[in-house]
Amino acid sequence: KAGVTQTPRYLIKTRGQQVTLSCSPISGHRSVSWYQQTPGQGLQFLFEYFSETQRNKGNFPGRFSGRQFSNSRSEMNVSTLELGDSALYLCASGPRDRSTDTQYFGPGTRLTVL
Amino acid sequence: AQSVTQLGSHVSVSEGALVLLRCNYSSSVPPYLFWYVQYPNQGLQLLLKYTTGATLVKGINGFEAEFKKSETSFHLTKPSAHMSDAAEYFCAVNGGAKIIFGKGTRLHILP
Repeated sequence: KAGVTQTPRYLIKTRGQQVTLSCSPISGHRSVSWYQQTPGQGLQFLFEYFSETQRNKGNFPGRFSGRQFSNSRSEMNVSTLELGDSALYLCASGPRDRSTDTQYFGPGTRLTVL
Repeated sequence: AQSVTQLGSHVSVSEGALVLLRCNYSSSVPPYLFWYVQYPNQGLQLLLKYTTGATLVKGINGFEAEFKKSETSFHLTKPSAHMSDAAEYFCAVNGGAKIIFGKGTRLHILP
């Protein structure tokens, strides 16, 4: 079974721009979660989607948004980029209820904001 | 509320020596506990998880962890370190709403 894929792997943007990241979960998985990883803050939960509905949201500003499509693929969007948005963005998928199931992580998208 | 504390942001051990990475958690409900490993420029890979049942959990690559409720700990061990174990390790707790990760421990293996 193919793992979680994320595109693009690397991205360079400038302040004020917007960016869209994509995540394709493992086939059959319906839950997709997004995390931001930075050296200072570590891994922080952004949001989780299940069957096209956002189930949980972390403590991030409204500039961070996401969606999930009927095939479970997910995108996250960051508008009006700031320097502090530079991070590794990780996507994880799970088959059902995230509280008990293992999360399988993709390789991440490294975003650099100049 | 759930939280995770990993003691030691960097741990160095000699090749062949015991690996011990410490994790303490706080949870108001019975926790599900995880250890993940992250190699450079890669995502996180599950090493092992504890949900219910046996408190000694065996994972991949020779790692194991013991859930100790009385000590609220879930320390990760490996009897003999290998150079390929050099990576960052994350302990995590899932209380239902989201996964909460510790800050991570970078494991260095000395030749």
